[in-house]
Amino acid sequence: AQSVTQPDIHITVSEGASLELRCNYSYGATPYLFWYVQSPGQGLQLLLKYFSGDTLVQGIKGFEAEFKRSQSSFNLRKPSVHWSDAAEYFCAVREYGNKLVFGAGTILRVKS
Amino acid sequence: EAGVTQFPSHSVIEKGQTVTLRCDPISGHDNLYWYRRVMGKEIKFLLHFVKESKQDESGMPNNRFLAERTGGTYSTLKVQPAELEDSGVYFCASSQGHGANVLTFGAGSRLTVL
Repeated sequence: AQSVTQPDIHITVSEGASLELRCNYSYGATPYLFWYVQSPGQGLQLLLKYFSGDTLVQGIKGFEAEFKRSQSSFNLRKPSVHWSDAAEYFCAVREYGNKLVFGAGTILRVKS
Repeated sequence: EAGVTQFPSHSVIEKGQTVTLRCDPISGHDNLYWYRRVMGKEIKFLLHFVKESKQDESGMPNNRFLAERTGGTYSTLKVQPAELEDSGVYFCASSQGHGANVLTFGAGSRLTVL
């Protein structure tokens, strides 16, 4: 079965600092990968996805992620974090039938 | 375009009671999914409808959970009788068409069983 690992449960960064959230997956074939964000009281919002092609994908809110097959990773990055980015972030891989397998999530705290 | 709507946003019930959660997908989306996040754990797949048919219910934890999607529009997820371990957030998502496509999630229904 496929799995997704987000090794960091909590991350705290200063506003304006850069951010990288780690995600590793296990999947036999070419994975379809996603990053979702959940802000307090909100649903899961899609930040970006990777299906094929360019391994560096751009998403909404200034986020990007890079697919590295050799490392089975799909890390999320942002060059300058804003206080409004404080939320919980989920990495996911698509399994058969368009079913998603999620990581445990990383809670991002932003300090001013 | 209206998003995925879930009701109620929060439900508090006692062990042994029944709760029904409702999900209204985006209009025209044939695919409807239920997921659940138990406290501190991953978001886990429960089941997948294509229109009114259950495509995959491999994630349903036990027979206390019953999901329906009559008419292929909104869906309900009933828990009867509720147990303490059922507490968590239940997410609904919908998507269009076949193949690899993007799921749009609702805000979730938080269930607390006392």
